[in-house]
Amino acid sequence: GQQLNQSPQSMFIQEGEDVSMNCTSSSIFNTWLWYKQEPGEGPVLLIALYKAGELTSNGRLTAQFGITRKDSFLNISASIPSDVGIYFCAGQIVNTNAGKSTFGDGTTLTVKP
Amino acid sequence: GAVVSQHPSWVICKSGTSVKIECRSLDFQATTMFWYRQFPKQSLMLMATSNEGSKATYEQGVEKDKFLINHASLTLSTLTVTSAHPEDSSFYICSAREPGGSYEQYFGPGTRLTVT
Repeated sequence: GQQLNQSPQSMFIQEGEDVSMNCTSSSIFNTWLWYKQEPGEGPVLLIALYKAGELTSNGRLTAQFGITRKDSFLNISASIPSDVGIYFCAGQIVNTNAGKSTFGDGTTLTVKP
Repeated sequence: GAVVSQHPSWVICKSGTSVKIECRSLDFQATTMFWYRQFPKQSLMLMATSNEGSKATYEQGVEKDKFLINHASLTLSTLTVTSAHPEDSSFYICSAREPGGSYEQYFGPGTRLTVT
């Protein structure tokens, strides 16, 4: 089955710094999704990507769908303490697997004020 | 839009009893819902895909007789953990997918199950 490698596993940064994390896959996906999960909560959708090469922003967040369709990255600019959480990437092969997503293992972000 | 709720948010039960968790899509109709299990500091593990009006599709290794799923309407799916044991203690999260071309999943807030 599909596997996603998400890195880094964790990040400890200073407030104001930029953050970059990525996911790579052994399989081709045609949808990439990025989620943020805070403790005791369900994941919240941040950005959805549908086309290879697509670059999409949501406030200070920017995500790109890799040209090879096997990778995606998420950048957070000028981090703030409320950015703390676990960020998950998820890939889908549309029209197969009933729309199931394959999730990465997550990147835990800690922001020091 | 695209709000998913879960009830209860947390539950403590005794070993051997059954627990039902509800997942509702509040502002859209969801023909497909997913049930996940998450252990501390780990990723989401898909348990089953719940399809309205038909039997759920379980992932390999998930006991369908232990984790009963019912998707009786376009806005409600339930997960019943039968004969719960302490090892079933976990964070259970559902998600719902809007019908149509979008394959985005919207997650509920999760249910913390503790079996004593």
